[in-house]
Amino acid sequence: DTGVSQDPRHKITKRGQNVTFRCDPISEHNRLYWYRQTLGQGPEFLTYFQNEAQLEKSRLLSDRFSAERPKGSFSTLEIQRTEQGDSAMYLCASSYSGGGNYGYTFGSGTRLTVV
Amino acid sequence: EDQVTQSPEALRLQEGESSSLNCSYTVSGLRGLFWYRQDPGKGPEFLFTLYSAGEEKEKERLKATLTKKESFLHITAPKPEDSATYLCAVGTSGTYKYIFGTGTRLKVLA
Repeated sequence: DTGVSQDPRHKITKRGQNVTFRCDPISEHNRLYWYRQTLGQGPEFLTYFQNEAQLEKSRLLSDRFSAERPKGSFSTLEIQRTEQGDSAMYLCASSYSGGGNYGYTFGSGTRLTVV
Repeated sequence: EDQVTQSPEALRLQEGESSSLNCSYTVSGLRGLFWYRQDPGKGPEFLFTLYSAGEEKEKERLKATLTKKESFLHITAPKPEDSATYLCAVGTSGTYKYIFGTGTRLKVLA
């Protein structure tokens, strides 16, 4: 297992365009999380899934943002009508609900630049 | 409101100069406190989980401790490769999301 994979690593888009990011979690992890991080700040929670169910969403997740996790495997995060304020690193993480150290494993992130 | 504050924002050390990073927290019900290391352009890398006051964890030159109000990450005899941003996060009762601090940027000079 190579860990949590995110694609693409970098995305530059024009304001108003739609973008979609993909996350492939560690295969045995049933929980998947999306966070957003801007320069000099810690990651901010966006949403999380347990299996295919989206259990919690932040109020940061406006109606322009949508996330899915079909079949409880990979997940996508879509941003519609992008704005310059959406420029950030989007981080995906996964964890296993069956115990252990409870820490997340993060991917390397997708850096979004809206011009 | 649940809150996590890290200090200092930035720290420069000479190689071998030990120091501590602070993470203070205010939460309604602590589920766990987590330390991560983040290198530029990469996602955070998990270091430690602490669950209850008095608990300590160690890994190489790092040692994390927890009280009811704060956690410390002690770095003993740091090396240049320890340079990174160290993030503290808390998990709270009733949710699996984390609340992160803004991090401490550590620079260790050779």
